[in-house]
Amino acid sequence: SYELTQPSSVSVSPGQTARITCSGDVLAKKYARWFQQKPGQAPVLVIYKDSERPSGIPERFSGSSSGTTVTLTISGAQVEDEADYYCYSAADTKGVFGTGTKVTVL
Amino acid sequence: QVQLVQSGAEVKKPGASVKVSCKASGYTFTSYGISWVRQAPGQGLEWMGWISAYNGNTNYAQKLQGRVTMTTDTSTSTAYMELRSLRSDDTAVYYCARDRVDNWNDVDYWGQGTLVTVSS
Repeated sequence: SYELTQPSSVSVSPGQTARITCSGDVLAKKYARWFQQKPGQAPVLVIYKDSERPSGIPERFSGSSSGTTVTLTISGAQVEDEADYYCYSAADTKGVFGTGTKVTVL
Repeated sequence: QVQLVQSGAEVKKPGASVKVSCKASGYTFTSYGISWVRQAPGQGLEWMGWISAYNGNTNYAQKLQGRVTMTTDTSTSTAYMELRSLRSDDTAVYYCARDRVDNWNDVDYWGQGTLVTVSS
């Protein structure tokens, strides 16, 4: 299917590890990207090709993949990491965004 | 540095059309494509389509086929997205984003967004 499913919310305490999953059949064949979006701002790329980190993105952001699920991990989450996170993948005929996960750090 | 600067907010009546621009700088425009993404108030991201700035090839989301047209002007490094027959559920922030020249696989840098409000 061309749907990407994420948990609606994840909560962590500062310094703890947050894990966000993204599941969909297309992920077995295609890479995923992850975007961070803070209120009132445009999304920012934090992971590409499942696990690559763009320059300028803190090392606490990492990605992994297994079968039809990709995972974004925030190790030692900071208050400033509180945001919505979306996975994205390109199916053969269209782009697909995940349903989005609100990460709360408190 | 890569920058995508979009046109300002628009208010349109149902049935009207809107055309949003996205001016690129900091990279070779024709070596990339542009994807368009929208976000309704309080909702998630929705992929609308993609255009290659190299050859003008396009791919539109099926639900928007027939109402959307994406174009580029290579002389000004600007991409455009026109949406016609506007409805209230088209109210959203519209984003342009840099992408691959040959497909919609590598969205990276985003514009600041353009709020389009459809209201009678």
